[in-house]
Amino acid sequence: DAKTTQPPSMDCAEGRAANLPCNHSTISGNEYVYWYRQIHSQGPQYIIHGLKNNETNEMASLIITEDRKSSTLILPHATLRDTAVYYCIVRPRERTSYDKVIFGPGTSLSVIP
Amino acid sequence: GAGVSQSPSNKVTEKGKDVELRCDPISGHTALYWYRQSLGQGLEFLIYFQGNSAPDKSGLPSDRFSAERTGGSVSTLTIQRTQQEDSAVYLCASSSQGVNTEAFFGQGTRLTVV
Repeated sequence: DAKTTQPPSMDCAEGRAANLPCNHSTISGNEYVYWYRQIHSQGPQYIIHGLKNNETNEMASLIITEDRKSSTLILPHATLRDTAVYYCIVRPRERTSYDKVIFGPGTSLSVIP
Repeated sequence: GAGVSQSPSNKVTEKGKDVELRCDPISGHTALYWYRQSLGQGLEFLIYFQGNSAPDKSGLPSDRFSAERTGGSVSTLTIQRTQQEDSAVYLCASSSQGVNTEAFFGQGTRLTVV
């Protein structure tokens, strides 16, 4: 039921930028792209979200293609603490009865010293 | 509290027993979600509450699972006649009603059925 697809795993050298792709080709006009991450043995943590414009916050940047069918989460300077499973999901703009917030298997990012 | 609180953090129970898992969402959050995560697996959606009502219960794995929410706040996930395959981390999340609001997760309850 997940509306997104992500690579199962990625490696990134410490200090380099980590670019995590996500495909969401069936996204509808009222759906946002959200990114969460889950560090081992912890609950998922919100990172960032966007609709169609690129977004940046203190944790990451989100680049959404013009057709909105894919996006990339960028961690500009990955650290060992960024090793986690990263989930890309789509959610409706407003909380409605359809807001099931389905997570796919995500991308397991390993930051290597 | 400042975040989503779940209790207990760990629960070991014998096969066939009933268990209750509790979730205290962030104050004022009207939406509440339950997920299950088996070892090494992704998050499996169980149920979603908007206020006290659950529009979609299709994610509950069997009729041994039930959930309720009272007063638009605390939610309880009940598993009857537990089986070993119920062993997992049960995660709760909440979000506010407004647009573009993220879901905040608790740290989960680790359930082990022996």
